[in-house]
Amino acid sequence: GAVVSQHPSRVICKSGTSVKIECRSLDFQATTMFWYRQFPKKSLMLMATSNEGSKATYEQGVEKDKFLINHASLTLSTLTVTSAHPEDSSFYICSARYGQLYEQYFGPGTRLTVT
Amino acid sequence: GQQLNQSPQSMFIQEGEDVSMNCTSSSIFNTWLWYKQDPGEGPVLLIALYKAGELTSNGRLTAQFGITRKDSFLNISASIPSDVGIYFCAGRNTGNQFYFGTGTSLTVIP
Repeated sequence: GAVVSQHPSRVICKSGTSVKIECRSLDFQATTMFWYRQFPKKSLMLMATSNEGSKATYEQGVEKDKFLINHASLTLSTLTVTSAHPEDSSFYICSARYGQLYEQYFGPGTRLTVT
Repeated sequence: GQQLNQSPQSMFIQEGEDVSMNCTSSSIFNTWLWYKQDPGEGPVLLIALYKAGELTSNGRLTAQFGITRKDSFLNISASIPSDVGIYFCAGRNTGNQFYFGTGTSLTVIP
């Protein structure tokens, strides 16, 4: 149980274009979803927290107009990187939690490369 | 944001040896979680701890929630090659904020 999927697993895009990453909880309803960014050999950096049906809460220093998060249902959250630049290249990972549990279950991650 | 101090940063051990790593915080935590991440994958939850002093096992893995509520330990017994990866601790503080540790990279030499 508690399986989270992400799509796509890898994406290469040109500078200036936008990319959408989907995060789905497959066997549970996620009350909260989280988006992280991870640089090589570094820990996870929380970008934003989203609850279904409400606006995401962004961490300090994360541009909400650049990283658009939509949490339209209890099983789907999307992250759109708008007007991507090479410095946005990174590993993006989502996680989800349900009910009153504080455990976060992670997706497999999406490797974004902006050329 | 705050990050938890995790040590050691990396470990190189022989197959069969036991492993111990820990995570410390300057503030009190209500939840400790331990994850393992393989290259190019998302972290996988290993153990969750909710009470001070709690000792929980998952196969060869054992984790403890420190009595002071400011630290946690993860032990791996009789390591095998597939234990290779990066181990992260994560904690939830009294304000319900989550923080991740800096990670411990484990290499197991056959």
